[in-house]
Amino acid sequence: AQKVTQAQTEISVVEKEDVTLDCVYETRDTTYYLFWYKQPPSGELVFLIRRNSFDEQNEISGRYSWNFQKSTSSFNFTITASQVVDSAVYFCALSEAFTLMDSSYKLIFGSGTRLLVRP
Amino acid sequence: DARVTQTPRHKVTEMGQEVTMRCQPILGHNTVFWYRQTMMQGLELLAYFRNRAPLDDSGMPKDRFSAEMPDATLATLKIQPSEPRDSAVYFCASGDQETQYFGPGTRLLVL
Repeated sequence: AQKVTQAQTEISVVEKEDVTLDCVYETRDTTYYLFWYKQPPSGELVFLIRRNSFDEQNEISGRYSWNFQKSTSSFNFTITASQVVDSAVYFCALSEAFTLMDSSYKLIFGSGTRLLVRP
Repeated sequence: DARVTQTPRHKVTEMGQEVTMRCQPILGHNTVFWYRQTMMQGLELLAYFRNRAPLDDSGMPKDRFSAEMPDATLATLKIQPSEPRDSAVYFCASGDQETQYFGPGTRLLVL
């Protein structure tokens, strides 16, 4: 069965520290997508990144970077020089095809990691 | 900047009342999803539409929940009758075939 584990329930750091959010997934599919979403205190879910299972290149976007390692089934997210505005719950998610005939996907979410960045 | 919109943003109602939540997906997206978020269960998929046709509603309590998509610009989720255990944040998401984009959610409180 598909599963996403975010073992860190809550992380607290001081502003400007680097922080890594862990995500470990389980799937039998050979083709899948991995995602990170951010849920700030206002409540909306903001899409951050999508990674195809065939693309193991790390990605950097400003202060955000993602490390995808198929060998360990991990898709970790690092925030460099954290800021107070980074405080949010971060969700890792794995796509699962609805059926073999359907090319659309549903998301399997992890339980989320609450990040608190203190001034 | 196209976004998914949801109304109402907040709803307080009494047990037994009907609740209707609305979602306007991003223009051009052919898939629409309804999720529920609670502290205990996290994010759960309730229903899924593709090209307005309901394809999977296995996550939805059938006796009281119904989801429809009367046209490409509107998806609705109804609860009748509502119960206190339905209190949650309900998210609508629309997507292309690879990524889902979420609306701001409807925070529902059933007293």
